[in-house]
Amino acid sequence: DAGVIQSPRHEVTEMGQEVTLRCKPISGHNSLFWYRQTMMRGLELLIYFNNNVPIDDSGMPEDRFSAKMPNASFSTLKIQPSEPRDSAVYFCASSFSENAGELFFGEGSRLTVL
Amino acid sequence: GENVEQHPSTLSVQEGDSAVIKCTYSDSASNYFPWYKQELGKRPQLIIDIRSNVGEKKDQRIAVTLNKTAKHFSLHITETQPEDSAVYFCAASMRSTLTFGKGTMLLVSP
Repeated sequence: DAGVIQSPRHEVTEMGQEVTLRCKPISGHNSLFWYRQTMMRGLELLIYFNNNVPIDDSGMPEDRFSAKMPNASFSTLKIQPSEPRDSAVYFCASSFSENAGELFFGEGSRLTVL
Repeated sequence: GENVEQHPSTLSVQEGDSAVIKCTYSDSASNYFPWYKQELGKRPQLIIDIRSNVGEKKDQRIAVTLNKTAKHFSLHITETQPEDSAVYFCAASMRSTLTFGKGTMLLVSP
């Protein structure tokens, strides 16, 4: 398996623009997570899906952020409009466990908002 | 929700020394405690984990201990090598979501 696949790896955009990050989880995994990593705040959970259904989105910063998982093999995280403080590395991770288990992270998408 | 504190934020050791990183958690219902290693510019990867029914687990040069009463757990790396240099994250979970500590940057000097 190729692991969790994220795109784009790098994104540079201007404030106010829409940003869409994409993730393909490992085949067979039923849980998908979006994390944001910054120096100041570390790894923060944004949203968690189980069997394509959003379970916990309490970490989503505000209404500018939205996430979808239309099927078991694809998820998106959208920021509209983007702001400089959104600059971070966004990781997607997947797992297969009814309880807590190993998370497999993608390579991350490094977002820079100018 | 769960809160995980991790110390120290940076740790410098000489090659061959031992390194210890400590974490505390707030929710007594948490029952899964993994440790992730993240090299510069790379993704976090699991290096060892422990569940609440076990007090200690070892894998070659790496060991993790858990004290559920005190709600703290630690990562021990013996005979450190330069390739151990990375950021290490502890995490705690009681169901399916992990809450991570802020990370420890470990620097191993040759």
